[in-house]
Amino acid sequence: QKEVEQNSGPLSVPEGAIASLNCTYSDRGSQSFFWYRQYSGKSPELIMSIYSNGDKEDGRFTAQLNKASQYVSLLIRDSQPSDSATYLCAVNLNTDKLIFGTGTRLQVFP
Amino acid sequence: GAVVSQHPSWVICKSGTSVKIECRSLDFQATTMFWYRQFPKQSLMLMATSNEGSKATYEQGVEKDKFLINHASLTLSTLTVTSAHPEDSSFYICSAPTSGRAGSTDTQYFGPGTRLTVL
Repeated sequence: QKEVEQNSGPLSVPEGAIASLNCTYSDRGSQSFFWYRQYSGKSPELIMSIYSNGDKEDGRFTAQLNKASQYVSLLIRDSQPSDSATYLCAVNLNTDKLIFGTGTRLQVFP
Repeated sequence: GAVVSQHPSWVICKSGTSVKIECRSLDFQATTMFWYRQFPKQSLMLMATSNEGSKATYEQGVEKDKFLINHASLTLSTLTVTSAHPEDSSFYICSAPTSGRAGSTDTQYFGPGTRLTVL
């Protein structure tokens, strides 16, 4: 079983819609969770971090964490074409290492 | 956010040569940095943890004699790909935790990456 799993996509949503990206992880001891955005040919850019169960909102982005279900998600409201990128879920295990999922490619069409 | 730089941004070299990539934390000190490699259409794979003043910790399957890591100061870690071959062509990215040291809740910021092409 992979440590961090994401649907590779592509996830296609129309401009203005809500994009929902999901991620599951295997290690129940994981303590911190991150969403990164990566444009083609560029390095990852941090969008959100979340450490506690529940929702965390930052502008158009909302991260949701459910440790009991080992599930973390990212919602993007009012999606824009500029949001089109690969979104990487990353989990920090107790070993101090950041483990990445394979990423979900998001396409926002006008 | 914290700023991490890398140099060079891209490099092309001949097979058998060595290439050095620098990673710098610009506005904070980092006793720990991380080196990742990303092949096309794949996710980031952690190669090693760079520790200031001590030996790097390599992930399973990463050859420490091929990928030499030196973390000589609190703001600089270098990755040297020795005797590079075409299969080493990849996107190499470094990161550093915001606290400057590894910890279970630290946010990591990434450098812009170095694209290595070995002919």
